[in-house]
Amino acid sequence: DAGVIQSPRHEVTEMGQEVTLRCKPISGHDYLFWYRQTMMRGLELLIYFNNNVPIDDSGMPEDRFSAKMPNASFSTLKIQPSEPRDSAVYFCASSFRVGGTEAFFGQGTRLTVV
Amino acid sequence: EDQVTQSPEALRLQEGESSSLNCSYTVSGLRGLFWYRQDPGKGPEFLFTLYSAGEEKEKERLKATLTKKESFLHITAPKPEDSATYLCAVQRNRDDKIIFGKGTRLHILP
Repeated sequence: DAGVIQSPRHEVTEMGQEVTLRCKPISGHDYLFWYRQTMMRGLELLIYFNNNVPIDDSGMPEDRFSAKMPNASFSTLKIQPSEPRDSAVYFCASSFRVGGTEAFFGQGTRLTVV
Repeated sequence: EDQVTQSPEALRLQEGESSSLNCSYTVSGLRGLFWYRQDPGKGPEFLFTLYSAGEEKEKERLKATLTKKESFLHITAPKPEDSATYLCAVQRNRDDKIIFGKGTRLHILP
């Protein structure tokens, strides 16, 4: 397996524009996580899915953020409208559901909102 | 509130100088504790999972230990290639949510 695949790797957009980040989890993993990482706040969990169903979205900063998982092999994180304070690295991760199991991370998307 | 606190925030060591990184946690029912390594510009890479107090895991120069309140990542005779940010995370029983600490930036000087 190629691991968790995220696209794009880098995104630069203007304030107010819509941004869509994409993720393909590892085949067979039941859980998918979206994280945001900044120097100030570290790695923050935004939302996670179990079997394509959102379980906890309490980390989503505000209504401008939304996430979907239409099937087991694809998820999106959308920001509309984007703001400069959304600039960060966004990671997607996936894991099995077998006791305490580690999550495997993608390479991340570095988002810059100007 | 469940939380994970890592210390120190940053650590500089000479090559060969052994040390330990600390991860203190409070969680309502621990399913597992994870250690990750993160290199600049990359996603976190899994190192260890610990499930219960007293458990230890080793990999090359790294050894992770776990008590009921904290975990240590011991690094023995480190090399410059061990330089990275080391992240600790806990997974809680009731909903499998994973909570990360802010990490320790480790720099090994040749």
